[in-house]
Amino acid sequence: GAGVSQTPSNKVTEKGKYVELRCDPISGHTALYWYRQSLGQGPEFLIYFQGTGAADDSGLPNDRFFAVRPEGSVSTLKIQRTERGDSAVYLCASSATGGSGYTFGSGTRLTVV
Amino acid sequence: GQQVMQIPQYQHVQEGEDFTTYCNSSTTLSNIQWYKQRPGGHPVFLIQLVKSGEVKKQKRLTFQFGEAKKNSSLHITATQTTDVGTYFCAGAYSGAGSYQLTFGKGTKLSVIP
Repeated sequence: GAGVSQTPSNKVTEKGKYVELRCDPISGHTALYWYRQSLGQGPEFLIYFQGTGAADDSGLPNDRFFAVRPEGSVSTLKIQRTERGDSAVYLCASSATGGSGYTFGSGTRLTVV
Repeated sequence: GQQVMQIPQYQHVQEGEDFTTYCNSSTTLSNIQWYKQRPGGHPVFLIQLVKSGEVKKQKRLTFQFGEAKKNSSLHITATQTTDVGTYFCAGAYSGAGSYQLTFGKGTKLSVIP
């Protein structure tokens, strides 16, 4: 597509529930990233995919967070047993190659109540 | 972990005045990128600097990368109301995790017409 598409744009969930956030990157972009942004802060790195594999998942805060990119295009970020502290905007970005400038999606605003 | 410090946190200027934001890392960067985020929007890539001492211009915007590759600045000449937003620097480091970006907290620019 023309840009990076993220769905849903907003998600409200109850504490303890499971959520999935989807990212559809720019066609042909091999590098895909997930970041998380809290109010008044810069984006914080979560995970980087090169193709289908997670090349760097050092930013995932704990084992409740998991991400996949099975066919090297669409990616899903999965959060188990959500906590109120998980509330943030989850941003997906893609780039033509690892290390070049990112194109961000509009983000998913996750609210855990 | 690696940290990128950015100052000032806020800047209010009269339209037509100049604006500068500064970014500093305690360790050498492999490259630095700059992003602009409009209120309610997502970060948009502006530029990437790779070489020591590099200076790049985009119309009224001038980007610099320090000789030691530890600091960077963004200068806007004669601000306009369309420049309103938060400007983030984001640094990449060599070695493991070299494709992840460490974002500063951003400088929020307000332009008074």
